[in-house]
Amino acid sequence: GAGVSQSPRYKVTKRGQDVALRCDPISGHVSLYWYRQALGQGPEFLTYFNYEAQQDKSGLPNDRFSAERPEGSISTLTIQRTEQRDSAMYRCASSLPRGGGPKETQYFGPGTRLLVL
Amino acid sequence: AQSVTQLGSHVSVSEGALVLLRCNYSSSVPPYLFWYVQYPNQGLQLLLKYTTGATLVKGINGFEAEFKKSETSFHLTKPSAHMSDAAEYFCAVSLNPSYDKVIFGPGTSLSVIP
Repeated sequence: GAGVSQSPRYKVTKRGQDVALRCDPISGHVSLYWYRQALGQGPEFLTYFNYEAQQDKSGLPNDRFSAERPEGSISTLTIQRTEQRDSAMYRCASSLPRGGGPKETQYFGPGTRLLVL
Repeated sequence: AQSVTQLGSHVSVSEGALVLLRCNYSSSVPPYLFWYVQYPNQGLQLLLKYTTGATLVKGINGFEAEFKKSETSFHLTKPSAHMSDAAEYFCAVSLNPSYDKVIFGPGTSLSVIP
């Protein structure tokens, strides 16, 4: 079936603007994760959901960052009042298929590359 | 808390030579261990994973890794490098990725020289 999809793939915005990044997980996956990856670094955990419940948001850098998954499927990561240091690749992953299957694997989307000018 | 270190941010090998990418982890409990590969302009793809059982794990594209608890290592190897193996490789650890975050290492960029 289809993998994890993210939109937009690229986003250029001006400092101070709000941005919303979307993640559409693999159908039937319970868990959804957001990571941020700076150039030349490994992905860094931001937050994750089981169904619609946000289980851990310890990785969100500050209160300008928020995420939601209101119906337990699609998720949105919102960054308010963007700053140049927010520029990075934002990756989404999903795991834990309801219908059974490998539980341990997180499947990653292609990412959204955010550039804040 | 878990953490991952990868020795060597950049590794170059000749085509046909052995590939060895090093990964060491720290974890308070037996972890789940992963290797992901990222090709240019693409997403992360799982190469292989260790959960329980056999410590030598085989993955896709001829890669394998061995979990050595005494050395807290999970090095990635491939007997013969191919040009198509050039990519960024990330080692990662998790308590249980079904419900916990995955902690990634900084990555190793592999170049394959013809």
